[in-house]
Order: sequence, then structure tokens, then C-alpha cells
Amino acid sequence: DSGVTQTPKHLITATGQRVTLRCSPRSGDLSVYWYQQSLDQGLQFLIQYYNGEERAKGNILERFSAQQFPDLHSELNLSSLELGDSALYFCASSATVLADQPQHFGDGTRLSIL
Amino acid sequence: QKEVEQDPGPLSVPEGAIVSLNCTYSNSAFQYFMWYRQYSRKGPELLMYTYSSGNKEDGRFTAQVDKSSKYISLFIRDSQPSDSATYLCAMSSPSGNTPLVFGKGTRLSVIA
Repeated sequence: DSGVTQTPKHLITATGQRVTLRCSPRSGDLSVYWYQQSLDQGLQFLIQYYNGEERAKGNILERFSAQQFPDLHSELNLSSLELGDSALYFCASSATVLADQPQHFGDGTRLSIL
Repeated sequence: QKEVEQDPGPLSVPEGAIVSLNCTYSNSAFQYFMWYRQYSRKGPELLMYTYSSGNKEDGRFTAQVDKSSKYISLFIRDSQPSDSATYLCAMSSPSGNTPLVFGKGTRLSVIA
């Protein structure tokens, strides 16, 4: 058990809808990362938050947004969903924002768009 | 050229074999190198973490980094069916807020 908790485990919804994925980092970790994993693209970095502030952005679509709350949990909001958004979404956490801190992953949310 | 290249496999070996998994990369700024193991329907689990060049051993697992060749390896000795999973290499540079860059993963099956 990595200590990173993601909910829900599975989400099935329709095109055009909006969903929110939730992540609780490991105890003591201040940095949260979101990744998308699809079969053809592998693990793609979306966005990073550190202690409530956005620190780095990857290939995150404008329809996607995230935030980190004062209790350090994070939410990833996906809107105007398209079929191509079907993927596994992972959250990871690390102690600090420094690159030498390993990241620990949750078990992901499987998003299926019908 | 992709930043990190990893043969997707699948790789199938008999129980007890030595497994060699590899990644090549193009960004010479990478200094931190990781191997993650991902079981089906689970998140990536950190296996090995190394800084710069050299070897690191942990039980049946050995990670090697050759920065001059931009090549990293993970060796698994005495492989077990429980080692069947997808293995992902990942790396990052120390400058700024650079995220981890992952290989696409190699699927390994260890046959009893």
C-alpha cells in the first residue's frame, strides 16, 4: 500500500459530462502529481501542485483543471468529456517539490466514456 | 526521437531466469532514475531509485545506470511468477519543476 488514496476506482459517464477525481496524498507529502495513462501513450504527466500552489504543467487539456486544498488533498476536474478521455488517471505524491524525491502512486481511477 | 525509449515486449521467461529490462534516453540532463512495477489494475509501485551513474542492488533486483551511453537497466535474478507485471522506467533532471518522464513499459511474464 503506497499510502496514496484515489477515489472513485471506476467512473463511467457519457460524452459532454463533467467528473471530479479525488486524491489524498501520503501522510506528510506536500506535492501531488496527476498522470493520465492510456495504452498508446503510456503515462503522461498532467499537472503538479505543491502545498496548494500549481508548480508544473504538462500536456493538460484546457478542459481539465485541478486544485490542491489546504488539507493537501487534490481534485482533478475533467469537463466536456470526449471518448478519447477514457483512460486511467493516477495521482502520485512526494515529500517535496524537489526532483530527487521519489513519487508514490495511488491505484488510479479508471474513467470510461460511453 | 522520444525522450525515453523502452521496448514494450511482451517478454516471457521461465521461472528462475535472469531478466534484463532496459531503457534508453536522449536528455543528458536526467540525473534521477527509477524503476516502477505495475500490476494489472494497480498503480505503479516504486522498485528502485538511483542517482547519476552506477549500480544499486536490492534483494533480487539490480539497477544499473550508464550515463555515458544514456542507458539504464533493471536485472531481476531468480525470477518468480509474482514478478509478472509491467515494468516502467522513469527519469528526471534536477533543474526546476521538471516532471518524471516515463518509458511506455515492458510487459513481463514469468512462467512457472
